[in-house]
Amino acid sequence: KAGVTQTPRYLIKTRGQQVTLSCSPISGHRSVSWYQQTPGQGLQFLFEYFSETQRNKGNFPGRFSGRQFSNSRSEMNVSTLELGDSALYLCASSFLAGGITDTQYFGPGTRLTVL
Amino acid sequence: AQTVTQSQPEMSVQEAETVTLSCTYDTSESNYYLFWYKQPPSRQMILVIRQEAYKQQNATENRFSVNFQKAAKSFSLKISDSQLGDTAMYFCAFMSYNNNDMRFGAGTRLTVKP
Repeated sequence: KAGVTQTPRYLIKTRGQQVTLSCSPISGHRSVSWYQQTPGQGLQFLFEYFSETQRNKGNFPGRFSGRQFSNSRSEMNVSTLELGDSALYLCASSFLAGGITDTQYFGPGTRLTVL
Repeated sequence: AQTVTQSQPEMSVQEAETVTLSCTYDTSESNYYLFWYKQPPSRQMILVIRQEAYKQQNATENRFSVNFQKAAKSFSLKISDSQLGDTAMYFCAFMSYNNNDMRFGAGTRLTVKP
């Protein structure tokens, strides 16, 4: 099976702009989670989508949003970019059975730099 | 809230030797998973090993094994016969059965020396 894919791999934006990141999960996985990784804060959970619905949300401002499509692909959007949004954004997919989550498998990440 | 603590920011080991990375966690839940992920310089997070809390037997994957002490809320990773390719950041992570909000420790940077 192909792994989790994320596009683009690298992005450079300026403050105030918005950005959309994409994630395609492993075939058959319907849950997609997003994480932000920074040197200062480490790995932090952003949100999780399952069957096109947001199941969980981390402690991030409303500028961070996401969605999931019927084919389980997910997008994450950050509006009004700030310098502090520079980070590695990781997407992970997992299989759910009976509402119980399973191991998350990560994509290669999107490196976002905000200038 | 669940927290995960990795008390060793950096460790090093000689090639072919054994090293143990420590992890403790705090939770009031009874059904959960624990994971060790590896993040090499390429930044790809790779699953190393997982443990389900209800299983008393420690998980093993080839050269990697864990020491899971549920009462003590401890979950250490032992790497045997260390190889240069094991050089990476290692993250301990907690996830409850009903919530995909995985909590990570701060990581341990492991360097395997030739």
